[in-house]
Amino acid sequence: GENVEQHPSTLSVQEGDSAVIKCTYSDSASNYFPWYKQELGKGPQLIIDIRSNVGEKKDQRIAVTLNKTAKHFSLHITETQPEDSAVYFCAAKPLASKLTFGTGTRLQVTL
Amino acid sequence: SAVISQKPSRDICQRGTSLTIQCQVDSQVTMMFWYRQQPGQSLTLIATANQGSEATYESGFVIDKFPISRPNLTFSTLTVSNMSPEDSSIYLCSVAEMIKAEAFFGQGTRLTVV
Repeated sequence: GENVEQHPSTLSVQEGDSAVIKCTYSDSASNYFPWYKQELGKGPQLIIDIRSNVGEKKDQRIAVTLNKTAKHFSLHITETQPEDSAVYFCAAKPLASKLTFGTGTRLQVTL
Repeated sequence: SAVISQKPSRDICQRGTSLTIQCQVDSQVTMMFWYRQQPGQSLTLIATANQGSEATYESGFVIDKFPISRPNLTFSTLTVSNMSPEDSSIYLCSVAEMIKAEAFFGQGTRLTVV
């Protein structure tokens, strides 16, 4: 089955700096890669996703890149703000199969 | 995206008892899932709730421990049976459409077993 690795496990950045979280996946059949943000005491919130026919996708301060050859994808957050502090999960999904989640990255944005 | 409501939001239960968690969606959805998130950990799929038939369980999860119902396209329940402290986790309901891959989550049920 699919295996997703996520790094780093914790990340501390100063407000205004950029943050990058990286994930690798094992199943070449995976074609959908979402990112979730989980704030304390809440359920995961889908913040951005990318499909295998696209190399990059951007939504305001958030962008995701995908390298199918290397089987890795990354989340980029620019101009970080304190409200970006949360746990971020990447996931991978083959067609007609389940989502497999990474281990999570705790992002802390300091003033 | 669909609005997903879970009840209860949290509970503290005695070992040996059972708790039923409800998941209500504000629109009909094709797929409903139940996940477990142990403290500080990632999300693990327990089962896919199938309307009108038995749920499909992932490896390591069994129906006797986690019975699931899905009577219609907007509602599902997960029961955690004969609880032990090891069952202390966040239980999450998730929904998705068959055609679209996007999955959305409820706010979770925080269960503590004492």
